[in-house]
Amino acid sequence: DQQVKQNSPSLSVQEGRISILNCDYTNSMFDYFLWYKKYPAEGPTFLISISSIKDKNEDGRFTVFLNKSAKHLSLHIVPSQPGDSAVYFCAASATGSARQLTFGSGTQLTVLP
Amino acid sequence: GAVVSQHPSRVICKSGTSVKIECRSLDFQATTMFWYRQFPKQSLMLMATSNEGSKATYEQGVEKDKFLINHASLTLSTLTVTSAHPEDSSFYICSATGNYEQYFGPGTRLTVT
Repeated sequence: DQQVKQNSPSLSVQEGRISILNCDYTNSMFDYFLWYKKYPAEGPTFLISISSIKDKNEDGRFTVFLNKSAKHLSLHIVPSQPGDSAVYFCAASATGSARQLTFGSGTQLTVLP
Repeated sequence: GAVVSQHPSRVICKSGTSVKIECRSLDFQATTMFWYRQFPKQSLMLMATSNEGSKATYEQGVEKDKFLINHASLTLSTLTVTSAHPEDSSFYICSATGNYEQYFGPGTRLTVT
């Protein structure tokens, strides 16, 4: 049973436009969510996180939205840049921290110049 | 952010041999490190949680006698794949945790021939 789902394996966006990556979860015990960016043959790089007590967190071009009732979170990247092209993983934890993460399957974002 | 290194970055070994992968936290002390495995186009699957000075905690389905984990110091954890088989070929990633983030190493590509 996949507790964290990223239903879109890929997404293409024009440079300068908004990229929206989606993530759904099923475990109501999850209380901390993170987004990671990963290039091929490299480890994931932390992007942004959000606690379940918030519904929005913003850091520069990256904003994460959390809808607890829908068990849904999304990552918005504005404006998108070609260097943003990578695989994006969402992850969730039930520990209130970054310990014991459950990862989604990832979404390949391609930003077209 | 904190830096986690892995060595080697890639290794090729023959079936039946053992391979050791090192994970180091370079600028912080990590009481807990995690080992993940990633198959092509799939998510990161947690294999085990490594705690300094104690035995690792393995996820269900991961053979502890095959994947030996040692966390001898606050900056070093090792994963030894024993009696490697071709199906062990994968991308292995370690991470070390702060409170609100996990910092990932760059990964090790293991190919068993």
